[in-house]
Amino acid sequence: GAVVSQHPSWVICKSGTSVKIECRSLDFQATTMFWYRQFPKQSLMLMATSNEGSKATYEQGVEKDKFLINHASLTLSTLTVTSAHPEDSSFYICSADLLVSGGTDTQYFGPGTRLTVL
Amino acid sequence: AQTVTQSQPEMSVQEAETVTLSCTYDTSENNYYLFWYKQPPSRQMILVIRQEAYKQQNATENRFSVNFQKAAKSFSLKISDSQLGDTAMYFCAFMDSGNTPLVFGKGTRLSVIA
Repeated sequence: GAVVSQHPSWVICKSGTSVKIECRSLDFQATTMFWYRQFPKQSLMLMATSNEGSKATYEQGVEKDKFLINHASLTLSTLTVTSAHPEDSSFYICSADLLVSGGTDTQYFGPGTRLTVL
Repeated sequence: AQTVTQSQPEMSVQEAETVTLSCTYDTSENNYYLFWYKQPPSRQMILVIRQEAYKQQNATENRFSVNFQKAAKSFSLKISDSQLGDTAMYFCAFMDSGNTPLVFGKGTRLSVIA
């Protein structure tokens, strides 16, 4: 249980185009999902918190107009990188928050999306 | 703001031996969660073990166990009978309450040597 998928796993696009990344919780509902960015050999950097039915909360320094987040259902959050540029090339990872009865709270991660902007 | 510190950038261990990865954190909260995640070369983040701060008993998951010292704000991971498949980046993470972001340490790269 607690499986999170991400699609696509790898995308190459031209500079100036937009790319949409989907994050799905396959066997549980997630009110909250998170988007992280990871540079090579570094830790995960939180980009934004995505709450179902409301606007995402972005971390300082993350352009909300460039990284559009939509959390339209309890199992799907999307990240759209608009007008992508080479500096947006990175590994993007989502996680979904699972709260079970008894109060145990855990985040489960998708497999990540490697974005390469030419 | 909470911080998580992993002071060992790289470690290595012989197959079948035991290794301990260190993690310290800073928080003013009393109730929170602590995690160890593993990231193998595939880059998939895998939950290794979880500890609730209100529980005094250290969590264990098969070959993985933690030494949780709340007063010292320390949360180390012990891997027993190390296997080649344990080779990965290990991240210690803190979460202060439900539905809040994880705060990660910088990670420890563990290599298991045959």
